[in-house]
Amino acid sequence: SQQGEEDPQALSIQEGENATMNCSYKTSINNLQWYRQNSGRGLVHLILIRSNEREKHSGRLRVTLDTSKKSSSLLITASRAADTASYFCATAESFLGGSYIPTFGRGTSLIVHP
Amino acid sequence: GAVVSQHPSWVICKSGTSVKIECRSLDFQATTMFWYRQFPKQSLMLMATSNEGSKATYEQGVEKDKFLINHASLTLSTLTVTSAHPEDSSFYICSAKEITSGNTEAFFGQGTRLTVV
Repeated sequence: SQQGEEDPQALSIQEGENATMNCSYKTSINNLQWYRQNSGRGLVHLILIRSNEREKHSGRLRVTLDTSKKSSSLLITASRAADTASYFCATAESFLGGSYIPTFGRGTSLIVHP
Repeated sequence: GAVVSQHPSWVICKSGTSVKIECRSLDFQATTMFWYRQFPKQSLMLMATSNEGSKATYEQGVEKDKFLINHASLTLSTLTVTSAHPEDSSFYICSAKEITSGNTEAFFGQGTRLTVV
């Protein structure tokens, strides 16, 4: 079953605005990763945040992690049309003896209008 | 960062033929590789987990005789779609996990778009 669930499923904003996407998960995790996928293309790794971290920044990206609420958020500041893509969170959950399987949510489809 | 290379990036094949997709970890060793399938506008669904030197573990609903996985070395896993049909047309993505103890990062290939005609 899917672990991460992104919210909202779709987000439409104007260039320059901030975009916030949320991800909720169910079990204990070791880390959570955010990916971007342009239409018909592969995944691009954006950022990884570990369970002992609360916030990480990378350029215009800010990711937070709240393990007590089992949720994470991805904030894209000063959005650009090129940010238009689907964004997925993937969690590394425990699997049979300690191995970790990255499992994905359904993604948030972000459209940034120029 | 670690690089995972997937080949081919796209392939068109005739119905009934078999297609092999390769997933290589270029600069690290991966004991475990994962194969995903993605339908248009859908999330990635885990198909199977492949461990070097042992049989793959398939997720429920995935036909192991149709999707043959071989993980012969610490840097290579292959997925063979046997007797492909149009409904097998999809985007297939692999990921590989570093062997480093305690490191649970998984890195993804760029994906293979399979079209069966």
